[in-house]
Amino acid sequence: NAGVTQTPKFQVLKTGQSMTLQCAQDMNHEYMSWYRQDPGMGLRLIHYSVGAGITDQGEVPNGYNVSRSTTEDFPLRLLSAAPSQTSVYFCASSYDSGLAAAGELFFGEGSRLTVL
Amino acid sequence: GENVEQHPSTLSVQEGDSAVIKCTYSDSASNYFPWYKQELGKGPQLIIDIRSNVGEKKDQRIAVTLNKTAKHFSLHITETQPEDSAVYFCAASRTGNQFYFGTGTSLTVIP
Repeated sequence: NAGVTQTPKFQVLKTGQSMTLQCAQDMNHEYMSWYRQDPGMGLRLIHYSVGAGITDQGEVPNGYNVSRSTTEDFPLRLLSAAPSQTSVYFCASSYDSGLAAAGELFFGEGSRLTVL
Repeated sequence: GENVEQHPSTLSVQEGDSAVIKCTYSDSASNYFPWYKQELGKGPQLIIDIRSNVGEKKDQRIAVTLNKTAKHFSLHITETQPEDSAVYFCAASRTGNQFYFGTGTSLTVIP
């Protein structure tokens, strides 16, 4: 059982370049999300999705796009990378969404992105 | 939005001693409070969670307490072991869709 798989694990970009961080889960989870982790700032929510075709913004969405065409995949796109987007990115999924069903988030192992 | 503060940022304890990590939150509507453990190079993993209708929850050596009036919750680890060394994050949510995390506590258990 692979769980949540993120690719790539490491990436170096130049300012202005674009790229997509991939996230796939094989647990049939409805809820998926992207976080960034920066030193001294914990984990901050970028975007999330409660099901295929539905996405919404989190705490720090600027500079990032997402789409959810299938239950399994939730890619995160950086259209024009900036040094401020240097961070470790985590994808997380959960079986269901909403407070009544709020439960464990399953995290991937992270993607470390450096923007020069 | 919600603001979650976590203290201390670093904590060292002797093996066998207890460790306590505290978090406060600002949104009185928050109702779900999970704790995650992150080992080096890995993603966070849920270790325990509590909902607003419960004041305390235990799971073996780990316990969480919640004081809704004061808007704070704490993680207690008893009989600490070297494998408890990791970064711990608290979080709060009022919708179950958006989670607000604390800044993390790096726990070191000294053998």
